[in-house]
This record gives sequence, structure tokens and C-alpha cells, in this order.
Amino acid sequence: AQSVTQPDIHITVSEGASLELRCNYSYGATPYLFWYVQSPGQGLQLLLKYFSGDTLVQGIKGFEAEFKRSQSSFNLRKPSVHWSDAAEYFCAVGINNDMRFGAGTRLTVKP
Amino acid sequence: NAGVTQTPKFRVLKTGQSMTLLCAQDMNHEYMYWYRQDPGMGLRLIHYSVGEGTTAKGEVPDGYNVSRLKKQNFLLGLESAAPSQTSVYFCASRTGGYGYTFGSGTRLTVV
Repeated sequence: AQSVTQPDIHITVSEGASLELRCNYSYGATPYLFWYVQSPGQGLQLLLKYFSGDTLVQGIKGFEAEFKRSQSSFNLRKPSVHWSDAAEYFCAVGINNDMRFGAGTRLTVKP
Repeated sequence: NAGVTQTPKFRVLKTGQSMTLLCAQDMNHEYMYWYRQDPGMGLRLIHYSVGEGTTAKGEVPDGYNVSRLKKQNFLLGLESAAPSQTSVYFCASRTGGYGYTFGSGTRLTVV
């Protein structure tokens, strides 16, 4: 079945530590890939997107993501997490006329 | 720069009542979407529209109806609300690419 999987429901990291959030998808073709962030009570904000070309994409707020076709993955990374990064993060794929989302990963940042 | 505006922001309904959620965008976008967000499930597509006068079903359309009489507005209706429809509803719009813009959400509780 077509799906977007975020294996980690909740991740806790210390401020200043590195971060990697995992995302796997299962679609026949390579879809368009996205990462969104949602702060409590807010809508979704686009962090970055991958359509084609360079498999390492840079986004806002110091985030980057790497597309690995062989692993059907699009993991989000940040070298040094800030307290303000605490939020929920959603991986999404754009296919046909809509977008399908993973269940989300909640990030907690320890002081 | 209003972007995507959802009204109302909060609503409490009794089981069996009806209501309409309004989504308005001022970016001249062709595509509009209604999602619901439930804990641990990410965002799931209810209905979408690829242009004025068109609508289509998404993943979870049952119990909802939509209309797109004007390009800038996308209405989501609940004819007979059920507790299972307690959720946060997000509207989104986009152009021909995948640059989605999300509204800030409507929190609906059905008691």
C-alpha cells in the first residue's frame, strides 16, 4: 500500500545536539517530497522540498534533508538543535493532485 | 498578505448538528484542500478541488461535503456531526506546483 512512514513518534534531544528525523515512503514512482513543521496551535510551515536534482536539499531554519532512492527515504537533519525547534515535524509526499502526510514526529528539546 | 484564512477557529457542536467551515484564499490558487488532523495520524485528506466548480474525494470523505462555487472559497460541510468528527481541520491551497499554503486550522469538538 502507498504510505508515508515516520518511525519515531517522539524524539528528545539536548539543545546543541544534532538531529535526524526519519521518513520512508512507498510509492511506485519517486514522488515530490516535503518536510513541514507545526508549532502548537499553528498551521504547517514548509521547511524544505525535493523535486529532482541534487539529493541533498537545504531548507529554512538550518534544516537539510537527503533523498536516498535506494532506501525510499527522505530524512531530515539539523547539526545543532535550538530550543525553538521543539515542534511536530511531518514528512509528506506529493503525488497526483494531492499530498499525503506521515503521522508526525514530536521533537522535545532539553535545556 | 492574508494567505489562507479559516473561519471559525473554534467550534463546539452537538451530535446531529450541522455546520460549514469556510476557507478563503487571496492568492488566486487553483487547488484547494481540506484535511483533518488527529493525534498520531498526521493529516488526512478529506476533499479537494482542482478549480472553481470542481471537487473530488480524498482519503476520508465520508460524513463531509464540499463546494467550490468561487475560486477563492472552499467550503466544508458537516450535515450531521458525529463525535468521530472531533478533530482539527486544515485548509490548504496551492498553484500548479506543490507550494502549499496552510490555514491556521479550525478546532472542532462534537459532543
